[in-house]
Order: sequence, then C-alpha cells, then structure tokens
Amino acid sequence: DGGITQSPKYLFRKEGQNVTLSCEQNLNHDAMYWYRQDPGQGLRLIYYSQIVNDFQKGDIAEGYSVSREKKESFPLTVTSAQKNPTAFYLCASSIEGGQGNQPQHFGDGTRLSIL
Amino acid sequence: QQPVQSPQAVILREGEDAVINCSSSKALYSVHWYRQKHGEAPVFLMILLKGGEQKGHEKISASFNEKKQQSSLYLTASQLSYSGTYFCGTDPGANNLFFGTGTRLTVIP
Repeated sequence: DGGITQSPKYLFRKEGQNVTLSCEQNLNHDAMYWYRQDPGQGLRLIYYSQIVNDFQKGDIAEGYSVSREKKESFPLTVTSAQKNPTAFYLCASSIEGGQGNQPQHFGDGTRLSIL
Repeated sequence: QQPVQSPQAVILREGEDAVINCSSSKALYSVHWYRQKHGEAPVFLMILLKGGEQKGHEKISASFNEKKQQSSLYLTASQLSYSGTYFCGTDPGANNLFFGTGTRLTVIP
C-alpha cells in the first residue's frame, strides 16, 4: 500500500542535541511538507519541497533544517537552536507543489519531547 | 495569513447537524478540509476551488464563497465516527496551505 511513513513515533531530545525525524513516501509525489502542531494552534509549516534538491522555508523554519536528496525522502533535523521543540511533527506530500487543487496526504506523526 | 475557524468546539448528539466556518483575510484560490482524530494523522476530506462550488462527501458537504473569502463545512445527521478536530487549509496562491486552529467536534450517543 502506498503511503507516508514517519519514524520514530516518539522521540526524546536532550538539551543541546540535534535530532532527525524521518519521512518516507512511496506515492511518487513531487512535493513534501513538514508541519509542527502545538495544542490549540493548528498546523504550522516548517519547510516544504516542490522537487528533489530544492526546498523553501515555511513560517517557522528557525531552528530546523531539511534535505531532499531523493524524491521519496524528506528528513527534518531539529537543531539545538530550536529552543522549544516539544511538539507533534507531521510530514505530508502532494502530487505537485504549488497547486491548490492537490490534496495533502499525511504521515502518522512524530511526537518530540525534551528530556 | 492563518484563516479563522469557528466555532472552536462543538458537542452534538448523534443525528444532529453542525456547521464549521473558515474565514480568510486573503483572496483564495482554494480551500481544503481535513479531519484529525486524537494522536492520528489528518485525513483529507475535500477541496473546493475558486468558482464558488459546493462539494459533498457522504453526509459531509462544503461550500466556498470566494467573494467573502469564506468556506463552510456542513455535517448532517452526525455519527459517532465524525468526532475529531476539523481543519481548513487555505491557499492564497502562495505555493502552500495555511491551516486554521481547528474545530473540535464531539458527537455523543
């Protein structure tokens, strides 16, 4: 079955540590997205990529970094510069980027907490 | 550019109807609707494109008034399975979506 796989489901970070969240899709979608979800705040866009080897910052990119070396993979690194990383992180993909008529398909998320 | 959703929360008895509204301050090309159950991924419901169309999905339908930059989601004869948080995502032509803060819907027997 096609879909988006995020791992791990739960992740704990120590102070000053970088951690990487994995997102893999086998839907052959060009566009991929990372969102952060905090209670009562909906989904906020961190980074998005419309094509391999290209990505753009979203609304809250500070303290995060991404790469898009392969079409099916879009890992997110939460760096030590992100002072409040505790949140639920969602990865999504769509057939094409920049197209408002394309639905986004979401992974099951990774819950990140600070130790 | 985040859209405003209302109400923030609603409780229904099975069989009752509900309307969830989504309003933007920007001109919109499309509006997306998603439902998320607690701890799970949001699930796509429908997209409404510029042109003021109305769409349906089982007993869930939606409308899009592009002049008012508003969309409404209609849930009729609600079922227990409708419980969850509903998000609208708006596309102002910025290559990505802006999501509202969500409407928590609880359906009770």
